[in-house]
Amino acid sequence: SYELTQPPSVSVSPGQTASITCSGDKLGDKYACWYQQRPGQSPVLVMYQDNKRPSGIPERFSGSNSGNTATLTISGTQAMDEADYYCQAWDSNNVIFGGGTRLTVL
Amino acid sequence: EVQLVESGGGLVQPGGSLRLSCAASGFNFGSYWMSWVRQAPGKGLKWVANIKEDGSQKYYMESVKGRFTVSRDNAKNSLFLQMNSLRAEDTAVYYCARLYFYGSARFEYWGQGTLVTVSS
Repeated sequence: SYELTQPPSVSVSPGQTASITCSGDKLGDKYACWYQQRPGQSPVLVMYQDNKRPSGIPERFSGSNSGNTATLTISGTQAMDEADYYCQAWDSNNVIFGGGTRLTVL
Repeated sequence: EVQLVESGGGLVQPGGSLRLSCAASGFNFGSYWMSWVRQAPGKGLKWVANIKEDGSQKYYMESVKGRFTVSRDNAKNSLFLQMNSLRAEDTAVYYCARLYFYGSARFEYWGQGTLVTVSS
């Protein structure tokens, strides 16, 4: 079965750039999207179709997807960006989520 | 404003049944695929089931096939998940989500979730 692999944790200083990766076999041939989940809240879509931001998502969020890796990049990271981030893709009518990455802003 | 409100969660014994509901508002419910996604305590997101706009196609994660049934009532803007033969590993918060299915499929909106606890 298809799997998406994310690092369990990423740390970043305020104002710096955070990069969260998501790896899967030939992931670049699929569309990837990303969700942000703050503690105690429901997930929120922050990136879709590899690099498109939904309405209301700050410009500091960007995405890319090539080869075996999709990347969510947060530029000028703010304290409010501290959350769990999940990548997601489709494989044969199944929805696959990555295991999630805890972003810590310190 | 899109709203998805889940209900029906609770404590159930192993082997028992539970029916979750999701009340949708703020959009044309019958024009969208809908989904259930769950999250075990302290764990990541896991997709559970999808259902097409008219209910004619349904897809499930492997571990719930034959036990869970997704359905919808477009006249009442409602999504359901019938869960039978429940196991301890089904314990999770269950989210209802609106699915944009065509092209780059993604979950555009999520409800607040309802907690299902399977325990004796």
